[in-house]
Amino acid sequence: AQSVTQLDSHVSVSEGTPVLLRCNYSSSYSPSLFWYVQHPNKGLQLLLKYTSAATLVKGINGFEAEFKKSETSFHLTKPSAHMSDAAEYFCVVSDRNNAGKSTFGDGTTLTVKP
Amino acid sequence: NAGVTQTPKFQVLKTGQSMTLQCAQDMNHEYMSWYRQDPGMGLRLIHYSVGAGITDQGEVPNGYNVSRSTTEDFPLRLLSAAPSQTSVYFCASKAGGWEQYFGPGTRLTVT
Repeated sequence: AQSVTQLDSHVSVSEGTPVLLRCNYSSSYSPSLFWYVQHPNKGLQLLLKYTSAATLVKGINGFEAEFKKSETSFHLTKPSAHMSDAAEYFCVVSDRNNAGKSTFGDGTTLTVKP
Repeated sequence: NAGVTQTPKFQVLKTGQSMTLQCAQDMNHEYMSWYRQDPGMGLRLIHYSVGAGITDQGEVPNGYNVSRSTTEDFPLRLLSAAPSQTSVYFCASKAGGWEQYFGPGTRLTVT
């Protein structure tokens, strides 16, 4: 079975400060991991993905995430937050041995203060 | 490429009515899925399909039916709408690499 835990339901940062959104996963096999972003009343957009290549993954808009197998974590970071980063973020795990089904975390709401 | 399209964007139903949410993709993806999104609960998988003629249940399948007669289309049918089915519904598709492409969503209200 696979699962995802997003450790913070809400994160608030000031513009220009670093962003850290935490994600732990559980998977019986080698997982693929993803971060998606959803702006208010919009669809989901892929930020970045890990599929067993480099453990440090760079995505769009300056985001990156590091896959740490020993800690079963896939935290999302950004050095300097912009107002436009305010959104809902979802961590997702997908397991090739689970018919490719994806499991979503409950989401983290990022607020960026001016 | 239109990607993944969904219709309608908004729908209001009365309890007991039935309807079909349409989903189509033009990327020749084998895998398609339906999710519902409720506040504070992320996205939950309703049904999915790994190819034409093959469907299976996800996490929350009760009250929904699907079929997959072509690679492109994956409609979701609500058999008898209930207020608990008020939600935002997303269709998604993917090929290899496991990255999913999402449609814009359908906002459904059941009164």
